[in-house]
Amino acid sequence: NAGVMQNPRHLVRRRGQEARLRCSPMKGHSHVYWYRQLPEEGLKFMVYLQKENIIDESGMPKERFSAEFPKEGPSILRIQQVVRGDSAAYFCASSPQGPDLFYEQYFGPGTRLTVT
Amino acid sequence: QKEVEQNSGPLSVPEGAIASLNCTYSDRGSQSFFWYRQYSGKSPELIMFIYSNGDKEDGRFTAQLNKASQYVSLLIRDSQPSDSATYLCAVNPNNNDMRFGAGTRLTVKP
Repeated sequence: NAGVMQNPRHLVRRRGQEARLRCSPMKGHSHVYWYRQLPEEGLKFMVYLQKENIIDESGMPKERFSAEFPKEGPSILRIQQVVRGDSAAYFCASSPQGPDLFYEQYFGPGTRLTVT
Repeated sequence: QKEVEQNSGPLSVPEGAIASLNCTYSDRGSQSFFWYRQYSGKSPELIMFIYSNGDKEDGRFTAQLNKASQYVSLLIRDSQPSDSATYLCAVNPNNNDMRFGAGTRLTVKP
């Protein structure tokens, strides 16, 4: 499967626990983006990363949320001390490396987080 | 003003008709524009992208861009029930991220 991979597909956490979402970009892609989608709403940008660098985290909540994209392994979106309002679908997308201004993002299947 | 605005719909068209989906954006410096289709419970799927003013056709889909009016649209010809989905307009304002509209829900009735 050469597409963007995310796991787990479904995640249930109790309030106060930590949620860890993983994303492996498409082969050859080194740019990763995380989005959150609430039911019946559009996608909200959270963070843009390249290998070992956070390029833009302007959409990330200031507390409890963090993201990384290490040199080896998948990108991780971590939510600490989850609350019910964190329940949403979290999508990862990747785009190809390159100097071009124009690019397309390809989405993974998403992780549906439910906080009970 | 939202960065990317779309009519939430639902937009209902009969099978075989042309569906017209519209989107406006606020950042005049935006240079690339995308249309994604999202079926319920699924991830967004890229349909088309457009960078230059005018029309771009791909099969039954035509994207139209008017940068002066900050307007982008998607036309779906010969609409099929399988086209029923939410269509997301996305704009790339600064090469770092993508801003999405809330989406327009399209229903194609047999």
